[in-house]
Amino acid sequence: QSVLTQPPSASGTPGQRVTISCSGSSSSVGSNSVNWYQQVPGTAPKLIIYSSNQRPSGVPDRFSGSKSGTSASLAISGLQSEDEADYYCATWDDRLNDLVFGGGTKLTVL
Amino acid sequence: QVHLVQSGAEVKKPGASVKVSCMASGYIFTDSYFHWVRQAPGQGLQWMGWINPHSGDTNYPEKFQGRVTMTRDTSNNTIHMEMRGLRSDDTAIYYCARFLTGYVGAFDIWGHGTLVIVSS
Repeated sequence: QSVLTQPPSASGTPGQRVTISCSGSSSSVGSNSVNWYQQVPGTAPKLIIYSSNQRPSGVPDRFSGSKSGTSASLAISGLQSEDEADYYCATWDDRLNDLVFGGGTKLTVL
Repeated sequence: QVHLVQSGAEVKKPGASVKVSCMASGYIFTDSYFHWVRQAPGQGLQWMGWINPHSGDTNYPEKFQGRVTMTRDTSNNTIHMEMRGLRSDDTAIYYCARFLTGYVGAFDIWGHGTLVIVSS
C-alpha cells in the first residue's frame, strides 16, 4: 500500500478536462508541497508539476496542480491522445522521514 | 543539453551485489544533488536516497540503510549506486535523477533507467 492514495485509473475523451487526486496525511501532503510525474510506459518519469502548482518550462499550460489540506490534485484540460500515461504524485513525509509516491493513476484517452 | 546516461542492464544471483552508474553531461555536475528511484515490474516508484556530488554526503531512507551505498566520481561526472545482498524483490528498473534545487521531491532530469534482474 502506498502512503499517498491515488485512483488506479482515470479516463476522458479528447478535449475533456480530467482531474487526478492524491490523498495523504498531515505529515505528508498536509505539511509539504506536492510534485507530479507523467510516465509513458517504457520511459522514465517526467516532472510536470512541482511545488504543488508550478510547471517546468516546456510543460503545456493544460497541466495544472493544486493542493488543499491533506489532498492534492492534477488537472489536465483539453485532453490529447499523447496525455495517455501513468501519473504519480510525490511528496516528503515528515513522520516517515521518507520521500513517498502515490500508487499511480493510469490515464486512458478514449 | 542536459543528459543522464546510465549503465547497462544487469543480471545477478540472490545475495550478490550490483553497482549502477549514472553519467551527467550538459551542466555543472556539482550544482545539484542526485537521487535514485526504483520501479519494480508493473509497480510504482520507490525513493532510495540522495547524494551530494560536491561533498559526497548521502542520505538513505531506513529501508535501504546498510544495503545501499551511493558514491560519486567528480573526475568523470558520474555517480554510482551499489546495492548488496540482492533479493528477488530487488528486480526493478533503477533510475538516477537530478534534484530541482529547493523543491523537495522534484526531479527535473532523469536517466533512462537500468534494469536489474535478480534471479537464481
